[in-house]
Amino acid sequence: DIQMTQSPSSLSASVGDRVTITCQASQDISNYLNWYQQKPGKAPKLLIHDASNLEIGVPSRFSGSGSGTDFTFTISSLQPEDIATYYCQQYDNLPFTFGPGTKVDFK
Amino acid sequence: QLQLRESGSGLVKSSQTLSLTCAVSGGSISSGAYSWSWVRQPPGKGLEWIGYIFHSGHTYSNPSLKSRVTISLDRSKNQFSLKLTSVTAADTAVYYCARSRGVSGFDIWGQGTMVTVSS
Repeated sequence: DIQMTQSPSSLSASVGDRVTITCQASQDISNYLNWYQQKPGKAPKLLIHDASNLEIGVPSRFSGSGSGTDFTFTISSLQPEDIATYYCQQYDNLPFTFGPGTKVDFK
Repeated sequence: QLQLRESGSGLVKSSQTLSLTCAVSGGSISSGAYSWSWVRQPPGKGLEWIGYIFHSGHTYSNPSLKSRVTISLDRSKNQFSLKLTSVTAADTAVYYCARSRGVSGFDIWGQGTMVTVSS
């Protein structure tokens, strides 16, 4: 299985801050990576597919980049509604695997 | 607008079989463009993909669950199902059904259903 790691595991930031999360795959997954947002008690929501493509309707303050084994997810200006846990997920190889998540809350 | 809704037993005894169904509304499960997955999340933990099924009936299950998983499709009812045998406390989780575009991201999710395994 491809192992996905994320850092940090949690972070605290203020409204308007730039937030960056990294995701690393245990082997080359090209750009077959997605990012999800999950709020407490809710199902995950797909934000970015294929490493850098924003889902329709997702605010442009969210972005993703990277390829191969190293990926980055950025919130350019943190908003109150962005408080959530964020997961990366690879779909290059079966079984699909998720990173352990990064919890983002307010400082 | 496509919607998914999980249903099934919320409490299962250890060693028994967990059975869940995902009803698809607002679209057809027979569309060739999509796959239909199950994902679970133990309380306070991360996400684990269980497996998927295509409209053709082709399935794949996560080897971590060994041979305990069966995913099936009922086109007449526009739904798909999960059976997980020989459950233990480690199978206690919120179970989600989700749709993928092909084998890409999970773009539509059900609301999730909590399943507790009791001894």
